Amino acid sequence: NAGVTQTPKFQVLKTGQSMTLQCAQDMNHEYMSWYRQDPGMGLRLIHYSVGAGITDQGEVPNGYNVSRSTTEDFPLRLLSAAPSQTSVYFCASRGGGSTNTEAFFGQGTRLTVV
Amino acid sequence: GENVEQHPSTLSVQEGDSAVIKCTYSDSASNYFPWYKQELGKGPQLIIDIRSNVGEKKDQRIAVTLNKTAKHFSLHITETQPEDSAVYFCAANPTGNQFYFGTGTSLTVIP
Repeated sequence: NAGVTQTPKFQVLKTGQSMTLQCAQDMNHEYMSWYRQDPGMGLRLIHYSVGAGITDQGEVPNGYNVSRSTTEDFPLRLLSAAPSQTSVYFCASRGGGSTNTEAFFGQGTRLTVV
Repeated sequence: GENVEQHPSTLSVQEGDSAVIKCTYSDSASNYFPWYKQELGKGPQLIIDIRSNVGEKKDQRIAVTLNKTAKHFSLHITETQPEDSAVYFCAANPTGNQFYFGTGTSLTVIP
């Protein structure tokens, strides 16, 4: 059982470039989310989805887009990367109707924008 | 929105001693409080959680206490071991969809 799989693990981008961070889960979870982790700031929610076709903004959504065409996949897109988006990104999924249940995290993607 | 504060940011203890990490939250609607452990280069993993209808929960050397009146909850690790060294995050969940995390505590257990 793979759980939550993120690719790539590391990425370096130039300012203005675009890319997509991939996230896939095999637990049939309805709820998926993207967080960024910065030193001294904990984990902050970027976007989340409560099911296929439904997405919503979290705490820090600017500069990021998401879509949820299937239950399994929840890609995060950076349309025009900026140095402020240098961070470690985590994807997470939850089941059980998304209320009061454990979130499972992927291994993270370390992104550097130069 | 919810605001979660976590203290201390770093904690060093001797092997065998206890470690305590404290969190406060602001939204009285929060009713689920998980604790996550993050080892170097890995994603956070749930180690224990507590719901608002319970005041304390234990799992072997780990315990969590919740005081809803004061809006604070704490993680207690007893008989610490070197493998407990990691970053620990608390979180609060005021709605079904959003977790709000504390800023993390880096725990070092000295052999």
